[in-house]
Amino acid sequence: GAVVSQHPSWVICKSGTSVKIECRSLDFQATTMFWYRQFPKQSLMLMATSNEGSKATYEQGVEKDKFLINHASLTLSTLTVTSAHPEDSSFYICSARGWGSFQETQYFGPGTRLLVL
Amino acid sequence: DAKTTQPTSMDCAEGRAANLPCNHSTISGNEYVYWYRQIHSQGPQYIIHGLKNNETNEMASLIITEDRKSSTLILPHATLRDTAVYYCIVRALSGYALNFGKGTSLLVTP
Repeated sequence: GAVVSQHPSWVICKSGTSVKIECRSLDFQATTMFWYRQFPKQSLMLMATSNEGSKATYEQGVEKDKFLINHASLTLSTLTVTSAHPEDSSFYICSARGWGSFQETQYFGPGTRLLVL
Repeated sequence: DAKTTQPTSMDCAEGRAANLPCNHSTISGNEYVYWYRQIHSQGPQYIIHGLKNNETNEMASLIITEDRKSSTLILPHATLRDTAVYYCIVRALSGYALNFGKGTSLLVTP
């Protein structure tokens, strides 16, 4: 149990375009989902936290108008990188946390590698 | 969340036990110790977590000292596929996101 998927696994786009990344909890309901970003040879950095049906809470320094997060259902959250630029190229990873036995642990997706040309 | 300190890197021979230490001297009474690992270019994988008792599952064992100021993750028979960055994280159950430090880069050699 506790599987989290992401789609796409990698994406290449031109500068100025928008990219949407999906995160799904496949076998449990995720009350909270988290989005992280990881640059080469660095650790994961939390970008935002979203609760189902509520607005996301962004970490300091993360532009909420650039990184749009939607958590419309208990199994799906999306991250849209708007007007992407080369400096947004990174590894984006989501994680999900449920309730009951799934509350104690965060389960991570496989990540989405974004390259902006 | 309490801060953790881990060695930057470690080596282990294949088939031997890998013992990864973590210091968390400022841990609070309600905070758990979590271990995750990240294999290159993948999302982090949950390994194990515990409060004060030692824990064991199919992947590893977690040994927490009596004063809870440090812990050790044990991979009993390391394989080449265990080569990864291992993160020790302290967090209360009621807390939210896991905050990742730099972790320990474990290299398992033939």
